[in-house]
This record gives sequence, C-alpha cells and structure tokens, in this order.
Amino acid sequence: DAGVTQSPTHLIKTRGQQVTLRCSPKSGHDTVSWYQQALGQGPQFIFQYYEEEERQRGNFPDRFSGHQFPNYSSELNVNALLLGDSALYLCASSPRGAKNIQYFGAGTRLSVL
Amino acid sequence: KNQVEQSPQSLIILEGKNCTLQCNYTVSPFSNLRWYKQDTGRGPVSLTIMTFSENTKSNGRYTATLDADTKQSSLHITASQLSDSASYICVVSGGGGGSYIPTFGRGTSLIVHP
Repeated sequence: DAGVTQSPTHLIKTRGQQVTLRCSPKSGHDTVSWYQQALGQGPQFIFQYYEEEERQRGNFPDRFSGHQFPNYSSELNVNALLLGDSALYLCASSPRGAKNIQYFGAGTRLSVL
Repeated sequence: KNQVEQSPQSLIILEGKNCTLQCNYTVSPFSNLRWYKQDTGRGPVSLTIMTFSENTKSNGRYTATLDADTKQSSLHITASQLSDSASYICVVSGGGGGSYIPTFGRGTSLIVHP
C-alpha cells in the first residue's frame, strides 16, 4: 500500500513563472491538505480539499490555487512565483471522517531563482 | 491569534540519554495536539495524537503529556538513539464550526551524538 506520493521531488523555477505540484493520497483517504514549509520553519497550512472542493484555506494569496480530482489526487498551482515562494511543499492526506489524522508525503522542494 | 511555541529551539544530547521537549499553545477552541518527527528534507511522521481528555500517550520510547488547563505539552524521549536526530514538531488543531486548521510550531531540532 503506497503512502502519500508527491511529484516532482525537486523543482527549479524563475520569478514570474507558474508551477504545478502533484499529490496522490494514501489509499482510502479522500482529504488532501497542502502546506508550505520554509527552511527552519514549521509547515504553514495553505488549503484543504475534499469532495473536489476547497474546504478550508490558510493565509495565502490567490496566487496559490488547487484542484482535487475524482480519484482524490490533488494539484497545487502557484502563479507569478516570487523568491519567497521557495520552500518545501508538503501534501497530507486524511481518511474520510478523520481529518485530524494526517499522513504526509515527502514533499516537493521548490527553488525560485 | 493561534500560536504554538516550542522550546528549546535546538538540543544536543549524547546517545542513551533522555530528553524532554516543550510545547505551549494558545489555540482555542482546542481539538487535538500531535507530535511529529521530521527528518531533514522529508515529510513529518506522526508520533502521538492527544485529545482534550487525554493527558499522556506513549509510542515506544516516545511519551507525550498534555495539560489542557495550562495549554502545555511535552515530548519525552527515553534512551535516545542516533536515529532520533530530527526536528520534532508540535501541532495543535482547533477552530470552531468543525474547522480543523492546524497550527504548527517551528520545531525543536534534536541532535544525538554517539
């Protein structure tokens, strides 16, 4: 049984570009949450998806958007990249009815030059 | 504003020794508190989860305590091993109306030396 998988593992972009990160949840999980973790900091909640809709959102600008597909996988899109968007982006999945139980993927390391 | 403060920021101990990490929070209303272990460049892995009614939870050599009155938690690591070197993150979930937006601490970086 695969856990939470994220792709790509590393990504390098330049300012102003757009990026899409992908996440496949753990089998049996229907809820996906995205986090941004800057170096030396704790993860910051971006948003959460289930039933293909954004259900909760943290304090992030509209440049950050997402999508959830019928198979529960999810994408995180960031437009107009800034240097400050460089971070480890973590995806966490939760089982139906237990959103407090989160399993994290290994993350995507995004570097914006 | 919901906040989670962890101390110390970093800790160096010798292999075989015990240590205790602290977490203070101001999240309200409170739903649950979790401790995660995060190896460098990896995603966090859950160690323990405690709700309001629980004041202690063990997972092998890891024992977490929770005092919901003082809004404090601790993570005690017994007989440390080199593989315990990692960042330990305290996460508190709360919010009203069924919201589970978690608040993460900045973590305690633990280094275990042989």
